Amino acid sequence: NAGVTQTPKFRVLKTGQSMTLLCAQDMNHEYMYWYRQDPGMGLRLIHYSVGEGTTAKGEVPDGYNVSRLKKQNFLLGLESAAPSQTSVYFCASSYGQLSGNTIYFGEGSWLTVV
Amino acid sequence: GENVEQHPSTLSVQEGDSAVIKCTYSDSASNYFPWYKQELGKGPQLIIDIRSNVGEKKDQRIAVTLNKTAKHFSLHITETQPEDSAVYFCAAGGFKTIFGAGTRLFVKA
Repeated sequence: NAGVTQTPKFRVLKTGQSMTLLCAQDMNHEYMYWYRQDPGMGLRLIHYSVGEGTTAKGEVPDGYNVSRLKKQNFLLGLESAAPSQTSVYFCASSYGQLSGNTIYFGEGSWLTVV
Repeated sequence: GENVEQHPSTLSVQEGDSAVIKCTYSDSASNYFPWYKQELGKGPQLIIDIRSNVGEKKDQRIAVTLNKTAKHFSLHITETQPEDSAVYFCAAGGFKTIFGAGTRLFVKA
């Protein structure tokens, strides 16, 4: 059972480039999330989805877009990367409601924007 | 907006000693309080959680306590071992789960 799988694990981008982070979960979870982790700031929610075809903004959505075309996949896009988007990105999923259910995290994607 | 404060940011203990991490939250509607452990280079993993109708929960060497009136909850690790060294996150769940900033725990052998 793979759980939550993210690709790529590491990426270096130049300012202004675009890229997509891919996330897949095999637990049939309804909810999926993208977080970013920065030193001293914990985990901040970028966007989330409560089901196939739905997306919603989290705490820090600016500069990112997401899509959930299939229940098992949640894509995070950076249209024009900026150095402030250098971070570790975690995809996660959970069974049902946004609280009260265990959130399962992927291994993380390290992104550097130069 | 909702906020979760976590202290201390760094904690160093001797092997065998206890470690305590404390969190406070602002949203009185929060009813679910999970704790996650993040090892180096990995994603956070749930280690224990507590719901608002319970004051304390224990699982082997780890325990959590919750004081809803004061909006405080704490993680207690007893008989610490080197493999407990990691970053620990508290979180408070209401409509959305809000994470604390994390505590880096070092257990010295």
